[in-house]
Amino acid sequence: DTAVSQTPKYLVTQMGNDKSIKCEQNLGHDTMYWYKQDSKKFLKIMFSYNNKELIINETVPNRFSPKSPDKAHLNLHINSLELGDSAVYFCASSLGTAHNYGYTFGSGTRLTVV
Amino acid sequence: GNSVTQMEGPVTLSEEAFLTINCTYTATGYPSLFWYVQYPGEGLQLLLKATKADDKGSNKGFEATYRKETTSFHLEKGSVQVSDSAVYFCALSFNTDKLIFGTGTRLQVFP
Repeated sequence: DTAVSQTPKYLVTQMGNDKSIKCEQNLGHDTMYWYKQDSKKFLKIMFSYNNKELIINETVPNRFSPKSPDKAHLNLHINSLELGDSAVYFCASSLGTAHNYGYTFGSGTRLTVV
Repeated sequence: GNSVTQMEGPVTLSEEAFLTINCTYTATGYPSLFWYVQYPGEGLQLLLKATKADDKGSNKGFEATYRKETTSFHLEKGSVQVSDSAVYFCALSFNTDKLIFGTGTRLQVFP
């Protein structure tokens, strides 16, 4: 059973398009996250949700909008895609705070904007 | 601000060699410390963690000790295998939900 699953795994799209990435976790965790990994492997947090409530919103362009319909799902919608949005996007979840438990990551969505 | 610094890679070793990947942190206070591993084409997996000074995290033959005096959390393994080839990330977290990652260190192990 996949603990944190993301779809799609690969996404190739043109500049200016709108796209969504979906994430689901079956671990019963309360908190979910989106991280962006750039071409140099650097990971930076974008958002976190706890029980459908936005907790962390880093300095991310407002073209990025997370949506959490329930605590098992956290989707990422991106409007007006730009070349610089090309990256691998990871969803993660944690039981309680990351301080004590760390995260469980999904396998990533590689977004390529052409 | 809070940050994590890792040694630049790639680290290239022969099978059965001893591994050390250095990690130091800058933080106001005492964070929890983590090592994650990312195999090619996969997401990150938690390898080990330590939540307070002098704690030793260990898993799958890997170890790291939380050293407050040197603000370090170096990853070690006595005998690496080809299957250990991956990117290793050191990370810290305070009493929040945010993990701050280092830039990752690629390990390549050759037979």
